[in-house]
Amino acid sequence: NAGVTQTPKFQVLKTGQSMTLQCAQDMNHEYMSWYRQDPGMGLRLIHYSVGAGITDQGEVPNGYNVSRSTTEDFPLRLLSAAPSQTSVYFCASSLRVMNTEAFFGQGTRLTVV
Amino acid sequence: AQTVTQSQPEMSVQEAETVTLSCTYDTSESDYYLFWYKQPPSRQMILVIRQEAYKQQNATENRFSVNFQKAAKSFSLKISDSQLGDAAMYFCAYRSASAGTASKLTFGTGTRLQVTL
Repeated sequence: NAGVTQTPKFQVLKTGQSMTLQCAQDMNHEYMSWYRQDPGMGLRLIHYSVGAGITDQGEVPNGYNVSRSTTEDFPLRLLSAAPSQTSVYFCASSLRVMNTEAFFGQGTRLTVV
Repeated sequence: AQTVTQSQPEMSVQEAETVTLSCTYDTSESDYYLFWYKQPPSRQMILVIRQEAYKQQNATENRFSVNFQKAAKSFSLKISDSQLGDAAMYFCAYRSASAGTASKLTFGTGTRLQVTL
């Protein structure tokens, strides 16, 4: 059972570079989201999607883009990396938007130098 | 906007003892869900327990139980018979039951639990 798969697990970028964090789920979940985890701040929502073709901004969306062309995939794009984007990124999915459990990927540790 | 507060950055418990992690939240909503997630050193986020606000009965999962006080907006996690494998960061999280905002999990800042021999 793959669940939620994130790639890569680690990444180092130079300031100004762009990259895409991949997230895929094989559970036919309707809802997918991206969080970032910073020390002392818990997890904060970046973007989310309630279904293919539908995305919306979360709490900290600046500097990130997302798209949801299929139910399975929800990539997160960093347009021009900045040191402030150094963080651990988590993708999560839920069967439905409402009270169902959120399943998390294993996270991507991103360092921007 | 909802907020979740975990006032204990670190806690320590001896193996086989009981420990309680605190969580308070602020919301104007009456219907919502509360969660405790465990994050071991592997970084994986693991759901420990879930509580629906409309249920008066406190949730339990084996050695894990909650004390849900809706009026006080308090949601503490009790771990009984602590084991070395319980050592982790624990996050309290809130999720609205309203269709418009139900997509967002709001997390506290976490409590790091150490388990000693």
